[in-house]
Amino acid sequence: AAGVIQSPRHLIKEKRETATLKCYPIPRHDTVYWYQQGPGQDPQFLISFYEKMQSDKGSIPDRFSAQQFSDYHSELNMSSLELGDSALYFCASSRTGVYSGNTIYFGEGSWLTVV
Amino acid sequence: DAKTTQPNSMESNEEEPVHLPCNHSTISGTDYIHWYRQLPSQGPEYVIHGLTSNVNNRMASLAIAEDRKSSTLILHRATLRDAAVYYCILRNYGGSQGNLIFGKGTKLSVKP
Repeated sequence: AAGVIQSPRHLIKEKRETATLKCYPIPRHDTVYWYQQGPGQDPQFLISFYEKMQSDKGSIPDRFSAQQFSDYHSELNMSSLELGDSALYFCASSRTGVYSGNTIYFGEGSWLTVV
Repeated sequence: DAKTTQPNSMESNEEEPVHLPCNHSTISGTDYIHWYRQLPSQGPEYVIHGLTSNVNNRMASLAIAEDRKSSTLILHRATLRDAAVYYCILRNYGGSQGNLIFGKGTKLSVKP
């Protein structure tokens, strides 16, 4: 079965640079979530989108922005990168309205290293 | 958000059952109990979820206390591949799309 696809899988950027992560949800899924997981930490919710509109916002820094496009894929844009932004970024997707409880499925993550 | 409390770590022997407890004393009537697990360097993986009744699937069983203030994830026969961090999460579908808010999970070690 198709899963959540994230790209790139690994990214190395210098401080103050900009990075963009992409997420392709499971087909027919209409909701996308972004999470950040620092070394040794638990996943932290950043932001989510439903039908291309922001649905909820977590601890996303002002330097970060995200959007969901008409084909439901999503991009997380990170500017003025700091060393502390080095983390594993997960995208997840779900399909609203399905009785199964719209289970959230996660991608394998994108490793961002800021040097 | 209603919070959950889990032991930091647990150990199990391979092929033995494992019972992972979770306390959620402030759970609301519309909160679903979800369990996810995360293997090292991988994305969290859905395990099981329930509302009031006990649930079974191919991965595990979920036993929910009658007052819903606690639940137990049961792995019937632990394998080495089950070594992971297990998260018990309360999820409310009302309002927003029911984001998963991860707390401190239980790190399960499985000994051969």
